Amino acid sequence: AQSVTQPDIHITVSEGASLELRCNYSYGATPYLFWYVQSPGQGLQLLLKYFSGDTLVQGIKGFEAEFKRSQSSFNLRKPSVHWSDAAEYFCAVGGSYNTDKLIFGTGTRLQVFP
Amino acid sequence: DTEVTQTPKHLVMGMTNKKSLKCEQHMGHRAMYWYKQKAKKPPELMFVYSYEKLSINESVPSRFSPECPNSSLLNLHLHALQPEDSALYLCASSQSGTGPGELFFGEGSRLTVL
Repeated sequence: AQSVTQPDIHITVSEGASLELRCNYSYGATPYLFWYVQSPGQGLQLLLKYFSGDTLVQGIKGFEAEFKRSQSSFNLRKPSVHWSDAAEYFCAVGGSYNTDKLIFGTGTRLQVFP
Repeated sequence: DTEVTQTPKHLVMGMTNKKSLKCEQHMGHRAMYWYKQKAKKPPELMFVYSYEKLSINESVPSRFSPECPNSSLLNLHLHALQPEDSALYLCASSQSGTGPGELFFGEGSRLTVL
């Protein structure tokens, strides 16, 4: 079955600390992978995406993610977190021929302490 | 600034009311989506329009009626809703309904059904 797992429901970090949000997927075909961020009461904004090529992808706001096919993972990282990064983060997977039905993970809520 | 515009941002309606949510994009995208998001949950796909034709209906109750008047506009007509329909309704668009792509989300319409 196709699925996305974000094992961490809630993560708390101090401002300036490094961050890694985990994402594991199960997908029968070549996956197209995305990370979205959602601030409270707002829509979702794309942070980065992976379709093919270099497995380390750079996104907006200083985020990066690494695709590891052997581990079925697409973890999101940031070397130094800012207070404005506090939000909900969703990992999503879609297919190469049909991204109409993106499968979202359950999300990870990031809290940042000063 | 989001390039997908949703109106109204907030809507309160009774169970006997008829109202509509509107969504507009001017990116030339040919696929448009409605998602429903409950608090602390990922977005759930409701409908997809591809090239102005309904391509996906995720078994949504008939009290929700989508309409795509043209490639830039997407409406969601609401009638006889239930309190459990209270949620954030997100509109999104993508370049095409097939093939790799990313979703661009609006900021959402917060619906409260009394």
